[in-house]
Amino acid sequence: DTEVTQTPKHLVMGMTNKKSLKCEQHMGHRAMYWYKQKAKKPPELMFVYSYEKLSINESVPSRFSPECPNSSLLNLHLHALQPEDSALYLCASSQLLAGQHGYTFGSGTRLTVV
Amino acid sequence: DAKTTQPPSMDCAEGRAANLPCNHSTISGNEYVYWYRQIHSQGPQYIIHGLKNNETNEMASLIITEDRKSSTLILPHATLRDTAVYYCIVSAGGKLIFGQGTELSVKP
Repeated sequence: DTEVTQTPKHLVMGMTNKKSLKCEQHMGHRAMYWYKQKAKKPPELMFVYSYEKLSINESVPSRFSPECPNSSLLNLHLHALQPEDSALYLCASSQLLAGQHGYTFGSGTRLTVV
Repeated sequence: DAKTTQPPSMDCAEGRAANLPCNHSTISGNEYVYWYRQIHSQGPQYIIHGLKNNETNEMASLIITEDRKSSTLILPHATLRDTAVYYCIVSAGGKLIFGQGTELSVKP
């Protein structure tokens, strides 16, 4: 299995809702990442997990809450989002944090906040 | 992580080689050069990466100058399916920071 699987593919949520995005990989990768991508813009890094521990938080608002319950799973919990949070949310994984390995990206979750 | 500079857009004729340049003049010795591409509304796809030497795989070739301050991604025989945004990223690991990329249009 050489894929990163993200669910759901599309999500519409109200500003008072709580929802979660899920990311799964079975490649034995020990680093996992969340990115946010607005239309016509490059992906922006949000969080980095290494060995199931949060290692980088790129000053992301607390309404986004990441969780890494085990080495194969990465969740992004969403609460009280704003319409400007509507975007494509991408998950990625890599073997190690060191630079000699490529990253594998999922196909993303298209989030719309209404 | 070092910053990269890429032309915002390029055109290429189908069947011809596409040469995508990238400047990374502040690259440090332990930073790798990565290339990814993103086809509309899909996740970025890894293409190739290198540290010092030129690299080739089934998708592309990566040419890194001797001073490592610039590189070129070569798609040897571009097809319409190669139309995408191509990102050149420099990183020592820990995180990939995407720049604006080059929007490559392959035309028949």
